[in-house]
Amino acid sequence: AQSVSQHNHHVILSEAASLELGCNYSYGGTVNLFWYVQYPGQHLQLLLKYFSGDPLVKGIKGFEAEFIKSKFSFNLRKPSVQWSDTAEYFCAVNAHYGGSQGNLIFGKGTKLSVKP
Amino acid sequence: DAGITQSPRHKVTETGTPVTLRCHQTENHRYMYWYRQDPGHGLRLIHYSYGVKDTDKGEVSDGYSVSRSKTEDFLLTLESATSSQTSVYFCAISGDPGYEQYFGPGTRLTVT
Repeated sequence: AQSVSQHNHHVILSEAASLELGCNYSYGGTVNLFWYVQYPGQHLQLLLKYFSGDPLVKGIKGFEAEFIKSKFSFNLRKPSVQWSDTAEYFCAVNAHYGGSQGNLIFGKGTKLSVKP
Repeated sequence: DAGITQSPRHKVTETGTPVTLRCHQTENHRYMYWYRQDPGHGLRLIHYSYGVKDTDKGEVSDGYSVSRSKTEDFLLTLESATSSQTSVYFCAISGDPGYEQYFGPGTRLTVT
């Protein structure tokens, strides 16, 4: 079965530090990839998505992610985090099976705490 | 934000009682989903719908049923609530199963 791994459970950074959150998936075929953010007490919001084309994707709030097909990875990055980036981040993958698509599979999430 | 509302937003209920959660959308999206979110588990799909009266099971469907009689409404029912169903429940919508999903504000359910 398809799976999504986010290896970092909790990341603690100081403001202005650079961020990279890992995401790996297990499916070898065509995929759509997503990163969502959940601020404390709120619902999930889409940060960015990759369907095809340029593997470096830019999202909202200065976030970007790079799709590396050979590594089955879609890591999230931000050059300089702010206290307001404190949130939980979820990677999600949707696999293409022939002419149809499966459901979104979410990773377990990475909690980011940014110290002011 | 996408036009998705969930009701109730908070509910406390007793073990063994039936509970129904409602998701309402104004986006006319075909696909609707129910997830539960628990610490350490991320989001897990309970049931989803790909059209009026068309539903299917997700990863953790035991103890849950759903109905969709109108495009805009997707109901999740716990037939007989158990403490293991204490969770935060999110509804999501999508225009296509491969596209991004938009999430509702969530319902926090506590089963005592």
